[in-house]
Amino acid sequence: GAGVSQTPSNKVTEKGKYVELRCDPISGHTALYWYRQSLGQGPEFLIYFQGTGAADDSGLPNDRFFAVRPEGSVSTLKIQRTERGDSAVYLCASSQGQSYGYTFGSGTRLTVV
Amino acid sequence: GQNIDQPTEMTATEGAIVQINCTYQTSGFNGLFWYQQHAGEAPTFLSYNVLDGLEEKGRFSSFLSRSKGYSYLLLKELQMKDSASYLCAVDETGANNLFFGTGTRLTVIP
Repeated sequence: GAGVSQTPSNKVTEKGKYVELRCDPISGHTALYWYRQSLGQGPEFLIYFQGTGAADDSGLPNDRFFAVRPEGSVSTLKIQRTERGDSAVYLCASSQGQSYGYTFGSGTRLTVV
Repeated sequence: GQNIDQPTEMTATEGAIVQINCTYQTSGFNGLFWYQQHAGEAPTFLSYNVLDGLEEKGRFSSFLSRSKGYSYLLLKELQMKDSASYLCAVDETGANNLFFGTGTRLTVIP
């Protein structure tokens, strides 16, 4: 696609529920990143994919968070047993390579009530 | 890409010039990015510096001093639409991701 697409744009869920956030990167970009941004903060790294594999998941805060990219294109970030502290904007970015910088999607605003 | 420091907030007048500073400490440096982020929107790429010196791109310029661990973003002829957060991000050797500062929220006033 022309840009990075993220769905849904907003998600409100109850504490304890499971959520999935989707990212459709720019066609041909092999690198895909998930970041989380809280109000007034910069984006915080979660996970990086190169192709289909999670090359670096060191930023995932705990085992409730998981992400997949089965065909090397669309990625899904999955959060189990959501907590109120998970409320944030989840940003996806894709890139041709890190030195080219990232193109970000508009993000999914997750609110856990 | 640790210890990236930017001022939290700045205010400047329409038509003026503003300089937003960023300092960083890394074990190995590959480059520095500046992004603009309007409220509720995605960050968008502004500039990239890998060598020392000034990179000019229209009303926006970015400067880097690797020996000082210092960069600034210079915005000239400020417009109201420049009100946004400006994020400094460092590409650190061996890291698989960019490290972002907390951002500087710029307010342009008439």
